[in-house]
Amino acid sequence: DGGITQSPKYLFRKEGQNVTLSCEQNLNHDAMYWYRQDPGQGLRLIYYSQIVNDFQKGDIAEGYSVSREKKESFPLTVTSAQKNPTAFYLCASSRQRLSGNTIYFGEGSWLTVV
Amino acid sequence: AQKVTQAQTEISVVEKEDVTLDCVYETRDTTYYLFWYKQPPSGELVFLIRRNSFDEQNEISGRYSWNFQKSTSSFNFTITASQVVDSAVYFCALRDGATNKLIFGTGTLLAVQP
Repeated sequence: DGGITQSPKYLFRKEGQNVTLSCEQNLNHDAMYWYRQDPGQGLRLIYYSQIVNDFQKGDIAEGYSVSREKKESFPLTVTSAQKNPTAFYLCASSRQRLSGNTIYFGEGSWLTVV
Repeated sequence: AQKVTQAQTEISVVEKEDVTLDCVYETRDTTYYLFWYKQPPSGELVFLIRRNSFDEQNEISGRYSWNFQKSTSSFNFTITASQVVDSAVYFCALRDGATNKLIFGTGTLLAVQP
């Protein structure tokens, strides 16, 4: 089945630790995205990538890092510099980053700092 | 500036009632796209519909219908004969050609009671 797979679904992190969220897509999409969702709020863009080996900061990139070494993979690292990392993280992809392209989402990952 | 407003934070209806979710948007671009997504309790964002700014035809898909009115900058979503499985958070989103960013409203939580 085609889709976007995120792992793990639930993750607990101790303060001061880095953690990496995995995102893989088999839709052959060029563009990939990471969004953060806090309770009762809409989604905010963290990073996006339009092509392999290229990525751009979104609206709330501080404390996060990404890589795009393969077309199908776009992992997100939540670093210890992120002041309030507890949130729901959604990975997404689209054929291209043009506005007419629909963005499809994965099932999300819950990150809790303990 | 781009903005999406979903004024209804929560709506509760009884099964088989019709319900309309409101969405008002702001953009300076003449070419833009509007989206609706459904987020069930599992967390995944499910794409429902995309509408471009040049197509004001209303759309019906089963029990779902969408009313796009450029004159009032609104893109409302109606569920006819609601069912318990419709219970979810629904997000309206805007994407225009100026930034290609997908801007979300804060979502409407729909609770359908049996």
